Amino acid sequence: DAKTTQPPSMDCAEGRAANLPCNHSTISGNEYVYWYRQIHSQGPQYIIHGLKNNETNEMASLIITEDRKSSTLILPHATLRDTAVYYCIVAGSNYKLTFGKGTLLTVNP
Amino acid sequence: NAGVMQNPRHLVRRRGQEARLRCSPMKGHSHVYWYRQLPEEGLKFMVYLQKENIIDESGMPKERFSAEFPKEGPSILRIQQVVRGDSAAYFCASSPPYEGGITDTQYFGPGTRLTVL
Repeated sequence: DAKTTQPPSMDCAEGRAANLPCNHSTISGNEYVYWYRQIHSQGPQYIIHGLKNNETNEMASLIITEDRKSSTLILPHATLRDTAVYYCIVAGSNYKLTFGKGTLLTVNP
Repeated sequence: NAGVMQNPRHLVRRRGQEARLRCSPMKGHSHVYWYRQLPEEGLKFMVYLQKENIIDESGMPKERFSAEFPKEGPSILRIQQVVRGDSAAYFCASSPPYEGGITDTQYFGPGTRLTVL
C-alpha cells in the first residue's frame, strides 16, 4: 500500500472547521483513502473513505485532489470531543491497514 | 446494532502466564483482524481470520501467539508464557464479506489492555 505523510500536530478553535491534510503521492489506481481517528487510546474510529470523488457523511468531508496524490479531511465544526489522533491510510486489496503516526488534532476552547 | 466487542477490557498477567483475548465481530461480519499497539506506537497488523480459517498471520510473532475464529463463538487471541514486552493494547476489527479483491471497511473494538507484571 502507498505511504502517507501527515503533519504531526495541528490546532483548531472550537466551532471552526478543521482541515487535516494528507499526502499519498504513490497511490495506485485501485487504492482507497481511509481516515480513522483514535481518541485517547480508545479503539480507532472509522470516519470516512473515498476513491476519487469527494465524499461527505455525518462526521466529515473528504476532498481528494484530481491526481489523487493528496487529500484533506474536513471536520466542519470542530468540538472539544474531536481532539484525537487522525490517521490517513491508503488501502486497496491489501487488508492490512498501515497506521503511521497520524496528526494529533487539538481543539481549543 | 452492537459494534465490535472485546473482553476483557483490561487484563493483568504475571510473566509466564497465559492471556486470552476475545473478540466478537459486528453482526453480519465474517472477517476478523487483530492489531497490536505498543506504548507510544501506531497499530500494527497481526492476523486476519475468517470463520475457521487463518487467512494471513504474517504479523504474528512466531512463538507463543496464536489466533482462532471458530464456527461458533468469538475470535480468540492467545498469548502463552507472557513476557513484559507483550504489554500493549490489542485491538480487534471486523468487516463484512467482500468481493472483487478490494477490502471493505474495518470497524474496531475498544481494545484489551494487557499488562504483564
